[in-house]
Amino acid sequence: GNSVTQMEGPVTLSEEAFLTINCTYTATGYPSLFWYVQYPGEGLQLLLKATKADDKGSNKGFEATYRKETTSFHLEKGSVQVSDSAVYFCALSGLDDYKLSFGAGTTVTVRA
Amino acid sequence: DAGVIQSPRHEVTEMGQEVTLRCKPISGHNSLFWYRQTMMRGLELLIYFNNNVPIDDSGMPEDRFSAKMPNASFSTLKIQPSEPRDSAVYFCASSLPGFIAFFGQGTRLTVV
Repeated sequence: GNSVTQMEGPVTLSEEAFLTINCTYTATGYPSLFWYVQYPGEGLQLLLKATKADDKGSNKGFEATYRKETTSFHLEKGSVQVSDSAVYFCALSGLDDYKLSFGAGTTVTVRA
Repeated sequence: DAGVIQSPRHEVTEMGQEVTLRCKPISGHNSLFWYRQTMMRGLELLIYFNNNVPIDDSGMPEDRFSAKMPNASFSTLKIQPSEPRDSAVYFCASSLPGFIAFFGQGTRLTVV
């Protein structure tokens, strides 16, 4: 079945540092890939998405590129802010089984 | 659209009592998911429905848990009898297959 593996946290950074969170997936066919973010005390919300190979999703300074050859969808941001402190989830949705599968989540803390 | 609506937002109940969590998905979405989030286990998929039919309930922890979707605009997750280890945040999400899943704000359940 489909599955997602993401980098374990927690990750602690200083403001303006570079952030990368690794995510790899296992799936049949061509799944859609997502990054969701959960701020403290809130539900999950979509950060960015990519629906086919070589697509780059971007939002709020975050980027991730759908790499079919390496089955990866790593999240990056060049200069983080304190407000980026949250839990980040990589997710996959297959058109064949409709199931939305999440990684374990990576807690990111940005210090001023 | 108001998004995915969950009720109640918070629930405190005594061990042994029945608990019912409710979800109204976004109109037009035909996939619905119930997730449980805890510090120990992270985000777990409990069950998902497609076109009101349960497709995969392998994540339901035990027979005390049951979920229904009587129509396209309403779903319930019931725990009977509840136990302290059921304390968690329960999320409902809805989507179109392969597309963005929108999450509700969650129900924080505390069983004492």
